[in-house]
Amino acid sequence: DAKTTQPPSMDCAEGRAANLPCNHSTISGNEYVYWYRQIHSQGPQYIIHGLKNNETNEMASLIITEDRKSSTLILPHATLRDTAVYYCIVRVEGNTPLVFGKGTRLSVIA
Amino acid sequence: SAVISQKPSRDICQRGTSLTIQCQVDSQVTMMFWYRQQPGQSLTLIATANQGSEATYESGFVIDKFPISRPNLTFSTLTVSNMSPEDSSIYLCSAGEYEQFFGPGTRLTVL
Repeated sequence: DAKTTQPPSMDCAEGRAANLPCNHSTISGNEYVYWYRQIHSQGPQYIIHGLKNNETNEMASLIITEDRKSSTLILPHATLRDTAVYYCIVRVEGNTPLVFGKGTRLSVIA
Repeated sequence: SAVISQKPSRDICQRGTSLTIQCQVDSQVTMMFWYRQQPGQSLTLIATANQGSEATYESGFVIDKFPISRPNLTFSTLTVSNMSPEDSSIYLCSAGEYEQFFGPGTRLTVL
């Protein structure tokens, strides 16, 4: 079973920041928080991951709370192409599989 | 980042037949993973394929139904055997130690 909880759906206006929350209250000390997204009919796309520090890359920022029990993925300027299902996954780094929950369906609206 | 390709991209098959899906990675990887995504659902792990050993299957998936080969460090196949309409899904492979990457998927329809 997935170890994360996400809202089933969210809307965001185009050009605004999209903030996607995730709860992972049972996360272990060696588990990372990963975010993936799946645009309709495509394979999941890696976005970002982190252990306890906040992370930023060209796609998004990841904010992890100090107790590591929750995190937020931030898409700073959402576009229509960001409409997708976003998955928050906790995983031990290394050759381990991803366990997908139901994710959050983000709709970016013009 | 790894680039993963799958063949075929889609297929329509008759019940009772089998289909083999190929997954190719552009670099050597230790583990490869196979997932199933049923219509409107999230991804479910089928099995983990390690080169040189038997695949490890998740609960609800058996080797007779989903035999997997892993002949080298860049390639794997998944066969969906004796298919029924309930096997209609997207089948995806993935690989990667830190950032796991996915293939584009194989969309299977069983009539």
